[in-house]
Amino acid sequence: AQSVTQPDIHITVSEGASLELRCNYSYGATPYLFWYVQSPGQGLQLLLKYFSGDTLVQGIKGFEAEFKRSQSSFNLRKPSVHWSDAAEYFCAVAPSGYSTLTFGKGTMLLVSP
Amino acid sequence: GAGVSQSPSNKVTEKGKDVELRCDPISGHTALYWYRQSLGQGLEFLIYFQGNSAPDKSGLPSDRFSAERTGGSVSTLTIQRTQQEDSAVYLCASSSRVTGGNEQFFGPGTRLTVL
Repeated sequence: AQSVTQPDIHITVSEGASLELRCNYSYGATPYLFWYVQSPGQGLQLLLKYFSGDTLVQGIKGFEAEFKRSQSSFNLRKPSVHWSDAAEYFCAVAPSGYSTLTFGKGTMLLVSP
Repeated sequence: GAGVSQSPSNKVTEKGKDVELRCDPISGHTALYWYRQSLGQGLEFLIYFQGNSAPDKSGLPSDRFSAERTGGSVSTLTIQRTQQEDSAVYLCASSSRVTGGNEQFFGPGTRLTVL
């Protein structure tokens, strides 16, 4: 069965600083990979997804993620964090294009002034 | 167009009561998913409907949980004889094979509190 590990429960970043959120997955083949963001009291919003092709994917709100097969990782990055980015971020994996998602436990991002 | 909607947004019930949670997916989306989000367990898959196929119920935690999807659209998740451990946010999502890639669109969730 697939699994997702987000090793950081909380991360605090200064506004304007760069951000990297880590995600490692366990799956036999190349899965479909996703990053979602959840603001307080809100549902989940898709930031970006990877299925195949270019291993660096661009998403909304200035986020990008890089798929590294050798490391089974799909880390999320942003060059300059804004206060509005404070939220919880979830990495997710699916074995195919039409199946349920397995989520990591999430990383709470706090942005300091 | 309208996104995924869920009702009620909050539900408080007493232990042992039955509850029904409703999900209206995005029009035309053939796939519908229910997830549960709780502090201890994170986000867990519950059940998945795809078109007219038999639903994937492999994530339902007990036989007190059931769901149906009428007319390929609206879905209702029913929890019978609620227990305190059922307290969580229940999220619904839908996706379309037309757009492909299993991009799931989530509703705002129903926060269930069992007293």
